[in-house]
Parts: sequence; structure tokens; C-alpha cells
Amino acid sequence: EPEVTQTPSHQVTQMGQEVILRCVPISNHLYFYWYRQILGQKVEFLVSFYNNEISEKSEIFDDQFSVERPDGSNFTLKIRSTKLEDSAMYFCASRVSNYGYTFGSGTRLTVV
Amino acid sequence: DAKTTQPPSMDCAEGRAANLPCNHSTISGNEYVYWYRQIHSQGPQYIIHGLKNNETNEMASLIITEDRKSSTLILPHATLRDTAVYYCIVRSGAGNMLTFGGGTRLMVKP
Repeated sequence: EPEVTQTPSHQVTQMGQEVILRCVPISNHLYFYWYRQILGQKVEFLVSFYNNEISEKSEIFDDQFSVERPDGSNFTLKIRSTKLEDSAMYFCASRVSNYGYTFGSGTRLTVV
Repeated sequence: DAKTTQPPSMDCAEGRAANLPCNHSTISGNEYVYWYRQIHSQGPQYIIHGLKNNETNEMASLIITEDRKSSTLILPHATLRDTAVYYCIVRSGAGNMLTFGGGTRLMVKP
């Protein structure tokens, strides 16, 4: 069964450093997403991406965040200057048309 | 997207059917009901979705009431591996993101 692949599975970074979280969506999917889940809290939407541009973003997705699909297969989330409160599980998801989203297994980001 | 209400937790005996309810009284005509689950800290997993007809797949059945104001996810023979948080989400066909609530934490017990 096709999978959404995320790397790394766990990333530890110092406060103020830049991090890039990577995702390989399912190959024929057209819509791409990032969600995050702070420990013990709900899964929260960050951003959606379609046709090489952001289609929707939440209030969480401020100027510190950016997304890119540099080569037609990878989909990345960059946090420019990490804060302690950015510590969370980050999930990438993709979908085609109106079928169910497929989520990756996540990257656990720990900011120290 | 319409708001959903789910019980925070439920228990189920292994091998028995698990029936997870969801209220979505403000659902509108073009909104679908989706069910996802999250096992421990893994990524949410798609289970099933429907508009107004009952649906069944290899994982579960979805029963939607005639007025569409509530639905029930049925896991016919729950196993210990079905222990997870189950999310009922209402989303329009043209809608983009999923809005996760608190879900129902299902504990399947031996």
C-alpha cells in the first residue's frame, strides 16, 4: 500500500536554529498538508499546498514557517528560528481528489 | 465545517463490536462524515467516509441516520490493536483541511 514517508523520525534542535522537515507524498496525489500535534493536545492544521502554491494556512503558520516542493516529489516544512513551543509531532499528509487523506508517521521535533 | 461531538472515552471487550457515536447536528447537505483513528502517537489513519448512505469497507461500517445529524462507526470484531483515539470529522466536498476535535479514546480490553 502506498505510504507518505517522513524524515527524520526525530529531530532535536537548539532554540533559534532552522529546521527542515521532509516528506515524500504518494506519487499521484495532488494536495499536500502539514499538521502538528503538541504532546497531549489535538491535531492542528498548519498549511495546505496545491498546484505549487499555498492554498490555505492557519494562524499558527506565521512568517517563521514556509513550505516548498522543490523537485516534484519532496514536500518540506521549514521553521526559520525554532522556539520551545514549536516542539511537537509534525505530520505530513497528501490526498488525491476527495478521497481520504494519507498521513505520514510523523517527525517528532524537540526544541531545547 | 460543522462541529462534531463525541464521547471522550469508551471501553470494548475484545472480539465484540465497538460502536462509536458522533453527533453532527449542524451538518449541511454537501458535507461528508469522515472517520480517522490515531494509534498512540502515529499519524492519523483514514477509516471510512460517507455522505448519506451507510458504508462498509474492510475496516469498519459507517451508519448515518436519515436526518444525517448523527452517525455511528462500527468495528465489528474489535481487537487489542484497535485501541486508539477515533475522530469523527465533517468536511465539505470542496473543503480542504481536516479539523480534528478531541475524539473518542477507545480502549479494547481482553
